[in-house]
Amino acid sequence: AQSVAQPEDQVNVAEGNPLTVKCTYSVSGNPYLFWYVQYPNRGLQFLLKYITGDNLVKGSYGFEAEFNKSQTSFHLKKPSALVSDSALYFCAVRGSSGGYNKLIFGAGTRLAVHP
Amino acid sequence: GAVVSQHPSRVICKSGTSVKIECRSLDFQATTMFWYRQFPKQSLMLMATSNEGSKATYEQGVEKDKFLINHASLTLSTLTVTSAHPEDSSFYICSARLAGRDEQYFGPGTRLTVT
Repeated sequence: AQSVAQPEDQVNVAEGNPLTVKCTYSVSGNPYLFWYVQYPNRGLQFLLKYITGDNLVKGSYGFEAEFNKSQTSFHLKKPSALVSDSALYFCAVRGSSGGYNKLIFGAGTRLAVHP
Repeated sequence: GAVVSQHPSRVICKSGTSVKIECRSLDFQATTMFWYRQFPKQSLMLMATSNEGSKATYEQGVEKDKFLINHASLTLSTLTVTSAHPEDSSFYICSARLAGRDEQYFGPGTRLTVT
């Protein structure tokens, strides 16, 4: 069965410091991996995706994520956090076979960036 | 590009009444639309997947007679919550997927409160 784990409920970072939001996955076949961000009372905004190719994926707002097949991880990173990055971040996976349309979401990680 | 709208953004209704939520892809044609439900401080739970012109595929445990989905065109899907009860109060989010693309684009969500 497909699943996504975001082990941290909340991540606290000082503005200007690098941030990492962790995600591990379990899927049959090759994974399609995504990161989304949600601001209060809003829908999700697409940040980036990994389908194939380079393990380091660059996305919106200066975010990037590294696909690590051996560790089945897809951690979200940013070199220098902004207060405006404070939001709820969701990792999602889609399998390449069977129910290929469906995204499975992690529980979400709340990022709090302090001035 | 890839903007998805939802209407209404917020609705309060009385127990026993029905509520219709619209999801529109504004600048693209969506072959597939998805409906999610999100409880406070929780992740998104997929309710159903709808393809234009065909019946929706519901996830296990989601009552298809209670949550009616109509995907009448490539730019519009509707979710009708029939005979609403207070436990149906939630944040409902739709998403749409372009043909040939992997990521989903999300609407801003509809907060339903049943009194």
